[in-house]
Formats: sequence, structure tokens, C-alpha cells
Amino acid sequence: GAGVSQSPSNKVTEKGKDVELRCDPISGHTALYWYRQSLGQGLEFLIYFQGNSAPDKSGLPSDRFSAERTGGSVSTLTIQRTQQEDSAVYLCASSFTGTAYNEQFFGPGTRLTVL
Amino acid sequence: GNSVTQMEGPVTLSEEAFLTINCTYTATGYPSLFWYVQYPGEGLQLLLKATKADDKGSNKGFEATYRKETTSFHLEKGSVQVSDSAVYFCALSLHPNAGGTSYGKLTFGQGTILTVHP
Repeated sequence: GAGVSQSPSNKVTEKGKDVELRCDPISGHTALYWYRQSLGQGLEFLIYFQGNSAPDKSGLPSDRFSAERTGGSVSTLTIQRTQQEDSAVYLCASSFTGTAYNEQFFGPGTRLTVL
Repeated sequence: GNSVTQMEGPVTLSEEAFLTINCTYTATGYPSLFWYVQYPGEGLQLLLKATKADDKGSNKGFEATYRKETTSFHLEKGSVQVSDSAVYFCALSLHPNAGGTSYGKLTFGQGTILTVHP
């Protein structure tokens, strides 16, 4: 079956531009997570969506970062006025439900490079 | 807050050697513990997990035991193969407190690069 997919796989942008990263979770998974993987910070949680509940945005590093999840499925992570420190691999994961018991399935990531 | 500390890498071993990657954690609540693995050119995938104290997770010859008394979840394999070369991440996720929110977000360690030579 289809896994978590992300697009684009690579994105190069200039400082100050806005970018949108897309995630398609596994069908039927109600929980969706965004993480960021960077050399300096390792793997860090950004935001979590569970069904129709308000998202947990506690990991977003600044108000330039936002995310939405439409129809309980596809999610878009938007970074406004990108900075060089935003360069990282952005990972999306989904799980059947958002609990500590369920395995999270990760997408291949989007590598963002801000010049 | 919650945190996970892994042994510093990189780790370089010969094929058939014994592997241990240490992992300790601090948590504000009661966690589930995980090892995720990232093979070269591939995405992050779950290797094994344990959801309560004294549980042992195992998969592909790897094992880890949830030790609440030492807040540890060390990864072991008796005989590594070249194909085990990858980055290994220890992680935790909190169980819900009474009346709290269950969300399962993962807190990761910094990762340990393992290279196995023939």
C-alpha cells in the first residue's frame, strides 16, 4: 500500500521567499506530525494534527511557520520569509491515532535549502 | 521537560561484532520508548518499541529492554551485519495523564551513526 508521501523532495529558495511543503498521509490515519531534521538541532517536533481537534503547535520555532490540514488528510507546512537557518529536511509522519502506542510512519522528507 | 540522550557516535564495527548503543531518557510523565532507524537514502522507520517498564522490544535481531529504574533503553545486537549500517535514533512518547491529551509526539535523541565493515 501507499506510504506517506511528501513533495517536493528538494526545494531551493532564496532568503526572504515563502515556501510550501506538502504531505499526503497514509489513508485512514487520523494523526499527522511534522518534524524537522537539521545538523545543529537533530530531529525536532514541529506540529501535530489529530482528527478535527485543534493542532498542537508547540514545536513551531517562530510565527513564520504555519501548517494546515485540509479535510483531515493532506497537510501543508508554510514557511514565510525564509531564513538560512530554516535549511533542513522536513519530515512528515502519520499514525492510526495519536497515542504513545502507535507506530509513526515517516515520509521521505523535503530537503529545504535557503540561499 | 522531556529529553533523550544517546551514546556519541559514530560507531564503527566489524561484521559479526556485538553492538550496544546506549540510550537514557528523562520524562515528565510515563513514556513509551522507541528505536527508529534511517538506512542510507531511505526514510525513518520504526525498528522496535516498548510501551511499559520491563518490556523488551525486538526486531531483526535487535533488542532493547525498558528499564524504568535506570531510565534506559539500550539497543543491542549480538552479531551485526554490513546491512545494519544506518543512523539509529532513540525516542520517547508520553502516555496521557489522567484527563490529559494523548498526542504521541516523539522526542528524539541526537542519533548514532553505525558503520559495519566486512
